[in-house]
Amino acid sequence: DVKVTQSSRYLVKRTGEKVFLECVQDMDHENMFWYRQDPGLGLRLIYFSYDVKMKEKGDIPEGYSVSREKKERFSLILESASTNQTSMYLCASRIPQGVDGTDTQYFGPGTRLTVL
Amino acid sequence: RKEVEQDPGPFNVPEGATVAFNCTYSNSASQSFFWYRQDCRKEPKLLMSVYSSGNEDGRFTAQLNRASQYISLLIRDSKLSDSATYLCAVSLFGNEKLTFGTGTRLTIIP
Repeated sequence: DVKVTQSSRYLVKRTGEKVFLECVQDMDHENMFWYRQDPGLGLRLIYFSYDVKMKEKGDIPEGYSVSREKKERFSLILESASTNQTSMYLCASRIPQGVDGTDTQYFGPGTRLTVL
Repeated sequence: RKEVEQDPGPFNVPEGATVAFNCTYSNSASQSFFWYRQDCRKEPKLLMSVYSSGNEDGRFTAQLNRASQYISLLIRDSKLSDSATYLCAVSLFGNEKLTFGTGTRLTIIP
């Protein structure tokens, strides 16, 4: 059974702090993603990675960076947290489309970050 | 125009009824389509992929209409446990990133 874990369920930080959100998957997936989810705006892609040390900007990368030093781990970094980064952060990993056409993206449980 | 659009609802439907949602996408080159279910304060989970020929899984039927660029989800004989937010997701090709709709909230009423 695929498992995607995130380091914290709830996090409270102060404006200007550097914040690290960790995500680990145990299925050797190549593709990993970071989203934020806000009411009325849905899931928005921040960054994604197709392989170790590779990263691609998503739709809203400003204010964020990522790190993928190992295949199973994808970290999201808020260099200087701001109140508008208060949100639910969801990590996901994905099996590239298989020969039978199956394609599944698995999400972690999410981290609810509050920036004061 | 948003890449993927859904009616946010809420849809309040009596138990046992049939309910259908649509999701429109703007890029005609899109190749992969999915429906996810998200319970309150939980992560989204894959409900079903949507294939060109349409597919069914128990009470759930998903269809793709390429000409009009939308996918649909039909839930028959709805149960209280079907109450959730349903998200559609689209990608250009198999390994590309998914773009999600904002979700349709469904509440099944006893």
